[in-house]
Amino acid sequence: DIQMTQSPASLSASLEEIVTITCQASQDIGNWLAWYQQKPGKSPQLLIYGATSLADGVPSRFSGSRSGTQYSLKISRLQVEDIGIYYCLQAYSAPLTFGSGTKLEIK
Amino acid sequence: EVQLVESGGGLVQPGRSLKLSCVASGFTFSNYGMNWIRQAPGKGLEWVAYISSGSSYIYYAETVKGRFTISRDNAKNTLYLQMTSLRSEDTALYYCARRSTTEDFDYWGQGVMVTVSS
Repeated sequence: DIQMTQSPASLSASLEEIVTITCQASQDIGNWLAWYQQKPGKSPQLLIYGATSLADGVPSRFSGSRSGTQYSLKISRLQVEDIGIYYCLQAYSAPLTFGSGTKLEIK
Repeated sequence: EVQLVESGGGLVQPGRSLKLSCVASGFTFSNYGMNWIRQAPGKGLEWVAYISSGSSYIYYAETVKGRFTISRDNAKNTLYLQMTSLRSEDTALYYCARRSTTEDFDYWGQGVMVTVSS
């Protein structure tokens, strides 16, 4: 199975700050990487697909990038509504596997 | 508007069975692969099972293989998960999710809770 190592586990940042979350894949997964945001008590919502493509309706302050087998989610100017838990997902091969999550809070 | 509505959860004793349903609307259900994904209380996300649009391809996580069965009825726009030999570690919120054209999950239901306890 492909392992997705996500970091950090938790993150506290100030409003308007730049935030970066990373996932390291245990093998090459190409661009088969998605990012999700889960707000408290809600279902996960797709933010980024294909490693770098913004899902419909997602604010442009979110962006995704790739460097080899390392993937990053960047929030360019943190807003209050961005608090929640973020997960990466490798969609390259079954079993599809998620990162362990990053809990994002406002400082 | 795409909607996925799960039902069938509840409290069940270890070793017993339960069947979850997910009714889809707002898209052509028969054109999409579908998944079940679960989340134990306070934990992360775990993919459970996948079924292709025409039921030709079915995959399971190792943790449920041999105990869970995914199926679908395209005439009823409904996805199912038959769970047998339930264990305490199966306690989780179960989501159904649509497989997108980029292989990830683009729409999720609100989830249904399954609690396995004596």
